[in-house]
Amino acid sequence: GENVEQHPSTLSVQEGDSAVIKCTYSDSASNYFPWYKQELGKRPQLIIDIRSNVGEKKDQRIAVTLNKTAKHFSLHITETQPEDSAVYFCATNSGGYQKVTFGIGTKLQVIP
Amino acid sequence: SAVISQKPSRDICQRGTSLTIQCQVDSQVTMMFWYRQQPGQSLTLIATANQGSEATYESGFVIDKFPISRPNLTFSTLTVSNMSPEDSSIYLCSAKPGIGTGELFFGEGSRLTVL
Repeated sequence: GENVEQHPSTLSVQEGDSAVIKCTYSDSASNYFPWYKQELGKRPQLIIDIRSNVGEKKDQRIAVTLNKTAKHFSLHITETQPEDSAVYFCATNSGGYQKVTFGIGTKLQVIP
Repeated sequence: SAVISQKPSRDICQRGTSLTIQCQVDSQVTMMFWYRQQPGQSLTLIATANQGSEATYESGFVIDKFPISRPNLTFSTLTVSNMSPEDSSIYLCSAKPGIGTGELFFGEGSRLTVL
């Protein structure tokens, strides 16, 4: 099955700095790459996604890049704020492409 | 979009008992899934709940332990059977409104503690 590796597992940044989280995947047929944010005690929520026909997508302070040749994609958060503190999961579709497989998560702490 | 309600939100259960978690979506959705999330861990897919037929289970999960029902396009249940402390976890219902790739919506989760 699909294998999604994510790193780092924890990340601390100063408020205002940028944060980058990286993921690699194994299934070359995967074509959908979402990122979810999960605040403590809350449900995961989609923050941005990218499809395989696009190399980069940006939404305000959040951007995602995709390198299909290398099978990796990254989340970039600029001008981080304390409310960005959460666990971020990368994911990709797999197994008939209706299922979503998640990475292990990155706990981001933004220090005021 | 889809708003998902799960119940119970939490429960403390005795070893050997079974508990059924209910998941209600506010609109008809194509796909429904059940995930398990152990504290501080990732989301692991248990199964895809298929409307009107048997669920499709992932490796390591079996129907006898995690029977799932999906009688219609808005409702599903997950039962955790013959529980042991290792089943202590958060169980999350999720749904995808359309076919193909797209956003997954999640319920708030059901936190089970097995003593």
